[in-house]
Amino acid sequence: DTGVSQNPRHKITKRGQNVTFRCDPISEHNRLYWYRQTLGQGPEFLTYFQNEAQLEKSRLLSDRFSAERPKGSFSTLEIQRTEQGDSAMYLCASSYRSGFEGYTFGSGTRLTVV
Amino acid sequence: AQSVTQLGSHVSVSEGALVLLRCNYSSSVPPYLFWYVQYPNQGLQLLLKYTSAATLVKGINGFEAEFKKSETSFHLTTPSAHMSDAAEYFCAVSDLGGSEKLVFGKGTKLTVNP
Repeated sequence: DTGVSQNPRHKITKRGQNVTFRCDPISEHNRLYWYRQTLGQGPEFLTYFQNEAQLEKSRLLSDRFSAERPKGSFSTLEIQRTEQGDSAMYLCASSYRSGFEGYTFGSGTRLTVV
Repeated sequence: AQSVTQLGSHVSVSEGALVLLRCNYSSSVPPYLFWYVQYPNQGLQLLLKYTSAATLVKGINGFEAEFKKSETSFHLTTPSAHMSDAAEYFCAVSDLGGSEKLVFGKGTKLTVNP
């Protein structure tokens, strides 16, 4: 059990650029979740997958955001045309069979848009 | 949709003192309930969870929480604070309608004074 791995840990980008984050869940976990956390707030749900199927998306996930989980293993979260309001910590989590068991979170990717 | 209220964004206690972190949720339907801890620049770690078994739930690091349906509360306690308990604590509740997404509170930052 190597835990949930997220890369990169930090990303600084200029407004208008595209960025992509990667999450590698615990290998036997079939659920994968993305959350966003801004300063002084709790994590906010973005989307989740069961294997390769994206089962739910938040309305926070605007058209500029897209997430994939090809082959049901790692996942990527892409933000196109970044805005300053996208600056946040992006957290990935996974769970074995159900989110009701509780998640295992990664350490997050901190995005700063300048 | 569910909502979670954590009373007190900051709690400060002396080492060895009782810690009480408050959490109330909105739904009258008993949900799944969780407490997570976040240390600086790290992801969230599951402390404990309530999944409709015993109403008093014991977690890691000496923490426990009691589910009170009549009060829609799930407060977190530990009898004796340690310096290592200083962190931010988040209460989370499963959303309605069987969704596996979690709704998080805004967090309570715990400071432990020597």
